[in-house]
Amino acid sequence: DAKTTQPNSMESNEEEPVHLPCNHSTISGTDYIHWYRQLPSQGPEYVIHGLTSNVNNRMASLAIAEDRKSSTLILHRATLRDAAVYYCILPNFGNEKLTFGTGTRLTIIP
Amino acid sequence: DAGITQSPRHKVTETGTPVTLRCHQTENHRYMYWYRQDPGHGLRLIHYSYGVKDTDKGEVSDGYSVSRSKTEDFLLTLESATSSQTSVYFCAISDHSGEQYFGPGTRLTVT
Repeated sequence: DAKTTQPNSMESNEEEPVHLPCNHSTISGTDYIHWYRQLPSQGPEYVIHGLTSNVNNRMASLAIAEDRKSSTLILHRATLRDAAVYYCILPNFGNEKLTFGTGTRLTIIP
Repeated sequence: DAGITQSPRHKVTETGTPVTLRCHQTENHRYMYWYRQDPGHGLRLIHYSYGVKDTDKGEVSDGYSVSRSKTEDFLLTLESATSSQTSVYFCAISDHSGEQYFGPGTRLTVT
């Protein structure tokens, strides 16, 4: 499975945008890029995924580099409820297996 | 929210006893997964299923077995629980969209 690299932790002020980076230099042409987050004491929650084009949904935006070797999850206006561990994952093609790393722990400062 | 439940939600058991955790879904999704999560770690895949009676091992399958006799149920069994299996266990489901939906988790303590 292709590996991803994320910073261990980030901080952001409430109501400001947050850009969470992810490097995946060994990505293959068929690998989708998925983002999940895990709030304290809860199971992971799907956030967004994409292949080549930038993607938007009600939770976030996903910006994918042209060479696909990196991507950025964008939270447009962080709230305290966005404090979580964010995982960037490249699912295994065919059986959709996810390999979770340690993710990025996002702290929101009021 | 996706219709996925886990039972029990909490369990304390003694070393050497068998334990079965149940995952139940109402979404008719093909894929089901069992993960464990330990402090300071991300989730690690134990076993997964890609259909009724079709299962395969994940990265930390030793000491665990699974069964899926119906689409909606995926059972995880610890044949003889050990203290190293104290963990939080998450079940997940997915269809061909690739999005996984997770259950609320089961906290298992082996004393």
